Amino acid sequence: SQKIEQNSEALNIQEGKTATLTCNYTNYSPAYLQWYRQDPGRGPVFLLLIRENEKEKRKERLKVTFDTTLKQSLFHITASQPADSATYLCALEGSTLGRLYFGRGTQLTVWP
Amino acid sequence: DTEVTQTPKHLVMGMTNKKSLKCEQHMGHRAMYWYKQKAKKPPELMFVYSYEKLSINESVPSRFSPECPNSSLLNLHLHALQPEDSALYLCASSQAGTLREKLFFGSGTQLSVL
Repeated sequence: SQKIEQNSEALNIQEGKTATLTCNYTNYSPAYLQWYRQDPGRGPVFLLLIRENEKEKRKERLKVTFDTTLKQSLFHITASQPADSATYLCALEGSTLGRLYFGRGTQLTVWP
Repeated sequence: DTEVTQTPKHLVMGMTNKKSLKCEQHMGHRAMYWYKQKAKKPPELMFVYSYEKLSINESVPSRFSPECPNSSLLNLHLHALQPEDSALYLCASSQAGTLREKLFFGSGTQLSVL
């Protein structure tokens, strides 16, 4: 069966450090992968999209890598801040157009 | 305007009630989605409308009935729900429902079924 696994439910890091979140998948052959941020009681907010032929994508303090051989994406937040505290979700499209499937998410807490 | 607006924000209903959730976007998007999310779980796709036609129904029970009156509006009609249907219901939209599109989500309706 298809699975999207995000390495840990929770990650706690100190302000200024780099947070690294992992997304692993099985039985998918995604052409691209997306990352979203979700705050409590709110809908997810799109952050980055990376295509299968892109090894790395950056946006300000965010960096995403995509390794289709390992079936893994890494999401990095550099110089993390308490305002980065949220749940981060990775998402893949299924075999049918329009079906976007989400991982459970990693809850990141950045402490001062 | 890059917002997806959902109403109401909170809803409490009994198992015999009929209620509706509403969603609106004015970004000119032609695909709209309903997702259901339980606490500490990922959002789960329920329905997709593409160009105002239902294109995906993820085997959702008939007590949930979607409706897309026009390209800006999406409703979810609820009837005879069960307590296990209590969840955050999220509406989303995207440009055309094709590959590689990001979704814009609303803030959701927190539904409690008593």
